[in-house]
Amino acid sequence: NAGVTQTPKFRILKIGQSMTLQCAQDMNHNYMYWYRQDPGMGLKLIYYSVGAGITDKGEVPNGYNVSRSTTEDFPLRLELAAPSQTSVYFCASSYSRDRGLGTDTQYFGPGTRLTVL
Amino acid sequence: KQEVTQIPAALSVPEGENLVLNCSFTDSAIYNLQWFRQDPGKGLTSLLLIQSSQREQTSGRLNASLDKSSGRSTLYIAASQPGDSATYLCAVLTGANSKLTFGKGITLSVRP
Repeated sequence: NAGVTQTPKFRILKIGQSMTLQCAQDMNHNYMYWYRQDPGMGLKLIYYSVGAGITDKGEVPNGYNVSRSTTEDFPLRLELAAPSQTSVYFCASSYSRDRGLGTDTQYFGPGTRLTVL
Repeated sequence: KQEVTQIPAALSVPEGENLVLNCSFTDSAIYNLQWFRQDPGKGLTSLLLIQSSQREQTSGRLNASLDKSSGRSTLYIAASQPGDSATYLCAVLTGANSKLTFGKGITLSVRP
């Protein structure tokens, strides 16, 4: 198993540009997540999904959009990039037997380092 | 709102020392607590997961304990090695739909 994969690893955007961060998992996990990590600030949840076709906002969703058309893929879309979106983005996945009652371990991808200039 | 605190932010110890990393959280209604390791420029690796009904978990030289009522967890690392140098993050799972709240992490440096 490849686990959780993310592309690209690095990207530099100009203000106002758009891009999609790709995330895929091959563990048949139902839950998937997007986090951002800023220096000294810990990880904050952007969006999450409890299954294909179902997504919901996390703590810091503004400026981002997601979709979940398949179990495996959970892309994150940045529209009109701003310097405040400079961060490291992590995708994660986990499995829950009983929705809403907690899940097993979250597995993280290697991250995408994004700079907006 | 759940808040997770890890103090101190950084720690430096000599090789071979046994050490304890602390984590505290404000809302005791958690489903589980996880300890992660993050190496510089890398993603997070899960070390231990403690369910809310458990008191501790062990993996090799690592032992994590959970006291839900007091909102505390500790990660014990026995006989520390330079390879243990990394940032250790604590995260708690709270509420419906399994949202993790992370602490800011403790950056550990083990000196040879």
